[in-house]
Amino acid sequence: DAGITQSPRHKVTETGTPVTLRCHQTENHRYMYWYRQDPGHGLRLIHYSYGVKDTDKGEVSDGYSVSRSKTEDFLLTLESATSSQTSVYFCAISEGITEAFFGQGTRLTVV
Amino acid sequence: QKEVEQNSGPLSVPEGAIASLNCTYSDRVSQSFFWYRQYSGKSPELIMSIYSNGDKEDGRFTAQLNKASQYVSLLIRDSQPSDSATYLCAVRNFGNEKLTFGTGTRLTIIP
Repeated sequence: DAGITQSPRHKVTETGTPVTLRCHQTENHRYMYWYRQDPGHGLRLIHYSYGVKDTDKGEVSDGYSVSRSKTEDFLLTLESATSSQTSVYFCAISEGITEAFFGQGTRLTVV
Repeated sequence: QKEVEQNSGPLSVPEGAIASLNCTYSDRVSQSFFWYRQYSGKSPELIMSIYSNGDKEDGRFTAQLNKASQYVSLLIRDSQPSDSATYLCAVRNFGNEKLTFGTGTRLTIIP
């Protein structure tokens, strides 16, 4: 299995609080991605990174920010969590145009 | 028009038969194509990647790519109950680091 670790694996938080999810890789892959998965919507890209301090928005980036200060870590922050951000969040990594490998996912519930 | 489209299913196939999963994409410059399998509550795992027109076989799985028709498919021969899962099609575009997924097709193999 690709060395990808997401933390935490489960989190319950209150509306309006900031939340940070962490993705850590040991593969030294250049590209890192954050997706959310909701019933009927498949995997939707939130943000991605193509290098240290190089990030870009995906299709559902509103309300989220990211940072990548080291190759191995990609952080996703919900600036002020809302109930619509209740979801399963997946981190993925890839190198070049090849396939992406996924972390185990983080189940986030905003109450 | 969505960038990557799949029939959401559910698709039911008798055990031992061939399951056929289809995916269309909108961007003609797409260059990398992937099929992932996802069991309920788990993260997506790569089944097949295909980069050029034609067929690519791996065991019971065959990926087919037709760039002129912007169409990629996955055939599963001798379907087994363990093949019951959601299958996700993913596309990466030339010069674009984004990896875009379809909404997935839920496949059920009937014993």
